[in-house]
Amino acid sequence: KAGVTQTPRYLIKTRGQQVTLSCSPISGHRSVSWYQQTPGQGLQFLFEYFSETQRNKGNFPGRFSGRQFSNSRSEMNVSTLELGDSALYLCASSPDHHTGELFFGEGSRLTVL
Amino acid sequence: KNEVEQSPQNLTAQEGEFITINCSYSVGISALHWLQQHPGGGIVSLFMLSSGKKKHGRLIATINIQEKHSSLHITASHPRDSAVYICAVRRGNKLVFGAGTILRVKS
Repeated sequence: KAGVTQTPRYLIKTRGQQVTLSCSPISGHRSVSWYQQTPGQGLQFLFEYFSETQRNKGNFPGRFSGRQFSNSRSEMNVSTLELGDSALYLCASSPDHHTGELFFGEGSRLTVL
Repeated sequence: KNEVEQSPQNLTAQEGEFITINCSYSVGISALHWLQQHPGGGIVSLFMLSSGKKKHGRLIATINIQEKHSSLHITASHPRDSAVYICAVRRGNKLVFGAGTILRVKS
């Protein structure tokens, strides 16, 4: 069974631009959650999607958004990038909504210049 | 005070030693996860616990719901165990993470 796939793995953007990151969950998994990891703040929960609906959102500004498609693939978007958005963005999939083991992707490393 | 506290922050051990990493939390939870992160970023889920004890190979995880405390034990540690170990608790629909314990096992 293929694991969780995140694309792109690395990207560099400049302040003010926007970025879209993609996450393909394990086949059959319906829940996808997103996390931001920075050296200063550690891992922080961004949002969780289940059956195309956002179930919960962490404490991030509205510039951070996401969606989930009918095939459970998910995207997250960050608009008007700031230097502080430089981070490793991880997604995880799980068979069910807020229960069950999490399976993480390798992450997308975003650098904002 | 953080909702999830891990100790120690850093740990250096000799190969073969028994290792314990602790996690304390301050709120009611529905589950607790232990995660492992190697340099380069990828995270692997080691355990998900809601009660009692689980064992997988040389790894053992325990949780005491009444005391709001969990431990991760590594028996017969090996240099390949060197990684960051992260405790995360599920509170409602959110995961709240500890700061992580950096483990280095020397040969």
